Amino acid sequence: AQRVTQPEKLLSVFKGAPVELKCNYSYSGSPELFWYVQYSRQRLQLLLRHISRESIKGFTADLNKGETSFHLKKPFAQEEDSAMYYCALRGGSNYKLTFGKGTLLTVNP
Amino acid sequence: GAVVSQHPSWVICKSGTSVKIECRSLDFQATTMFWYRQFPKQSLMLMATSNEGSKATYEQGVEKDKFLINHASLTLSTLTVTSAHPEDSSFYICSARGLAGGGSYNEQFFGPGTRLTVL
Repeated sequence: AQRVTQPEKLLSVFKGAPVELKCNYSYSGSPELFWYVQYSRQRLQLLLRHISRESIKGFTADLNKGETSFHLKKPFAQEEDSAMYYCALRGGSNYKLTFGKGTLLTVNP
Repeated sequence: GAVVSQHPSWVICKSGTSVKIECRSLDFQATTMFWYRQFPKQSLMLMATSNEGSKATYEQGVEKDKFLINHASLTLSTLTVTSAHPEDSSFYICSARGLAGGGSYNEQFFGPGTRLTVL
C-alpha cells in the first residue's frame, strides 16, 4: 500500500522567512514524488516532481529514500506563496496518485 | 499549458435524481482519466481510473453502480452519480493524463472541479 503523510495541516510564516513543508511517504518500491499546489479558487496544478530535480518559483524538494521524505523548501517565502500544498506519490504502473492531506501555507506580510 | 475542463462547475439536485459531470481534455489526448472526490478541508480521494474504450477501475469502497464512469473518447470522460443522496454532496475533480504542450513526459492535469449539492 502507498501512503503519504503531511503532518502539518496549517503553516504560517512571515514574508522573507524560510519555509519547509514536510512530506513523508510509505511505499515498498521506487516511488515518484510530486508536489501540487492549489491557490485560492484555482485548480490543482503541478509544482514540481522529484525526477526533474528542478526549482519552480524558488521551491525545491529532495527525495530522501533513507528517511522516506520529500520535504518542500523555499528559502524566502513570498505572500503569493500562500496556498494549499499537496504532496503526492505515484507507484507502480497504474499511474494512480496518492495524495497527502495537504498543508495550508499562509505567508504573512 | 494543457487544459482540462469540467461541466457543470456546480450543480444542485434533488435526492433520488441522477447527475452527469463531464470532463474534457481540451488540447491533448488523454489516455487515462481519473475521478477524485474531495470533502471540505480534506484531501483528494481517488474514486476510479478510466482508460478510453475500457471499463473503469474503481477504488475499494467506491460503488461502481452508484458512480458510473464512461470514457468514450480520448478527450471526454463522464461521471454519473445515480440516485444521488445528500451524502453524495461533495467536490468532484477529474484529472487527465497525457502528453501536452510538446512535452515528453506524461503528466496529470486537473480540472477545476464540480460542486455537487444534493438536497
